[in-house]
Amino acid sequence: GESVGLHLPTLSVQEGDNSIINCAYSNSASDYFIWYKQESGKGPQFIIDIRSNMDKRQGQRVTVLLNKTVKHLSLQIAATQPGDSAVYFCAENLEGGGFKTIFGAGTRLFVKA
Amino acid sequence: DAEITQSPRHKITETGRQVTLACHQTWNHNNMFWYRQDLGHGLRLIHYSYGVHDTNKGEVSDGYSVSRSNTEDLPLTLESAASSQTSVYFCASSAGWGSEGYEQYFGPGTRLTVT
Repeated sequence: GESVGLHLPTLSVQEGDNSIINCAYSNSASDYFIWYKQESGKGPQFIIDIRSNMDKRQGQRVTVLLNKTVKHLSLQIAATQPGDSAVYFCAENLEGGGFKTIFGAGTRLFVKA
Repeated sequence: DAEITQSPRHKITETGRQVTLACHQTWNHNNMFWYRQDLGHGLRLIHYSYGVHDTNKGEVSDGYSVSRSNTEDLPLTLESAASSQTSVYFCASSAGWGSEGYEQYFGPGTRLTVT
């Protein structure tokens, strides 16, 4: 069935370095993708989104890349800071699936000072 | 400021008891969702609603029910709590129109332990 997953369950980076979190999705009909950040003890928080008619979208220190050919999504965080330490989820919305969102299992990002 | 709240934040109950978790949003959002989060499973959808009096089952709806009598609230009821329902529960809401309808705003979560 359809699924959203992540290549790496944990990622450890040095403060100031760039981070790249990867995600694979299986449904080529998905038309909208979102990255969420979840800090310890809190609910997930929206970071950035991208529609399937785009390849790249930039926000503040974050960039999302979408490669529809290989059904791959990535989140790049520039100049990673200690406050970026969290679990990151990619999520997809399926065409014709209403407003339901399917979440991946998550990647934990550790930022070393 | 608009927000989404959940209560209680922590709950311990016994097997077989009925439990209701509250969710209240002041975003005036049409869509509301309940998820459970367990290690190794990420967020799994329990029930969702696209408006007042509308409710739909998600992928793990067995043993849970919801009702939507107004825009602001979507309480989640565990009819007869089981140990397998020990989890962290998140409520979320989204606007429900256009691409903005997909962005979900999450509550702080309720940690439920069934003994």
